[in-house]
Amino acid sequence: GDSVTQMEGPVTLSEEAFLTINCTYTATGYPSLFWYVQYPGEGLQLLLKATKADDKGSNKGFEATYRKETTSFHLEKGSVQVSDSAVYFCALINYGQNFVFGPGTRLSVLP
Amino acid sequence: DGGITQSPKYLFRKEGQNVTLSCEQNLNHDAMYWYRQDPGQGLRLIYYSQIVNDFQKGDIAEGYSVSREKKESFPLTVTSAQKNPTAFYLCASSVGTGYGYTFGSGTRLTVV
Repeated sequence: GDSVTQMEGPVTLSEEAFLTINCTYTATGYPSLFWYVQYPGEGLQLLLKATKADDKGSNKGFEATYRKETTSFHLEKGSVQVSDSAVYFCALINYGQNFVFGPGTRLSVLP
Repeated sequence: DGGITQSPKYLFRKEGQNVTLSCEQNLNHDAMYWYRQDPGQGLRLIYYSQIVNDFQKGDIAEGYSVSREKKESFPLTVTSAQKNPTAFYLCASSVGTGYGYTFGSGTRLTVV
């Protein structure tokens, strides 16, 4: 079945550092890819998405590019802030199927 | 503004009791979902419903029950048969299967 793999956390960075969270997937067909963010004690919020190969999703300084050749959707941000501390989930969905979530990566940004 | 409302935010249950978690959406979404999240863990699908009066078991349905009598509502009952119910419960909805989800803010259930 379809699956999503994320880099193990936690990831700890200093403020203004560059962020990369790796995400790779295994799926049939042409899934849509998503990044969700979960702040402490809250639900998940959609951060960005891409629906086809070579699409780039972006939001709040975060970016991710749908790479079909490497089956990847890595999340990047050029300069993280303390307020970015959260858990980040990579996910995919194929039409007619339910979401497949990765295990989540906890990010801690230190001042 | 449209969204999903989960209530209560915190819920305490005595052993042997059933409790019901509320999930209401005003997004006119057909599909609704319940997930369980344990500390430091990912999301596990409990039940989902693609249309009113129909629902399917997810990966961990044992000890839980749901109903979908209205499009807007998808309550989850945690029964006494669920041996380890302490967790964070998330409700979500989508236009249909294959589309992105909108999540509620969650209910934290604790057995006391």
